[in-house]
Amino acid sequence: EVKLVESGGDLIRPGGSLRLSCATSGFTFSSNYMNWVRQAPGKGLECVSVSYRDGNVFYSDSVKGRFTVSRDNSNNTLFLQMTNLRVEDTAMYYCAKAGRRSGPLSNWGQGTLVTVSS
Amino acid sequence: SALTQPISVSGSPGQRITISCTGTGSVDVDYNYVSWYQQRPGTAPKLVIYDGFKRPSTVSSRFFGSKSGNTASLAISGLQADDEADYFCSSYTLTGSLVFGGGTKLTVL
Repeated sequence: EVKLVESGGDLIRPGGSLRLSCATSGFTFSSNYMNWVRQAPGKGLECVSVSYRDGNVFYSDSVKGRFTVSRDNSNNTLFLQMTNLRVEDTAMYYCAKAGRRSGPLSNWGQGTLVTVSS
Repeated sequence: SALTQPISVSGSPGQRITISCTGTGSVDVDYNYVSWYQQRPGTAPKLVIYDGFKRPSTVSSRFFGSKSGNTASLAISGLQADDEADYFCSSYTLTGSLVFGGGTKLTVL
């Protein structure tokens, strides 16, 4: 069974840093494209990063230069290091996997909530 | 959003509804890779249609995806109370980034 479990969400002040984790199981982590998708309260979905299996990473313009994705293929875990957090980064953060380039997000975690507020 | 969806649609049990997803032209979207996600309140999105018309094995055959030009559509037939949810379309741009529509709230009357 495919599982993705996010953790690390918290209440943080503007300008602060936070690291999210996505622990996975039930599939070959190193062979998949891993995404971080966020959803602000009552709003739509936004893909903030895609981690390609060749090591490349795509970032949305809204987080470029502030967020960094890394993956630990030996422990099947995806990370999102977030720095210089802004109020507008407040959202539920989901990790999701795609089995191929330009593929659908076939499996999602339950999400972890990040609240940026003074 | 690079993809435009109606804010809401509604239908009675047993009816058929359609949700559209149209490219705004702000970015070049590859409509061969349109996916649709169902999101019930308080839960993570769930894939219901991918590559425009393909359906995961666990998804009901009442869900049908199609496209025409720069518009993709999700149809749900035999509407059930359990179908009430938000529905998001997504696809990839020609440069490989993933974009979503703004979402459509489906109400089953």
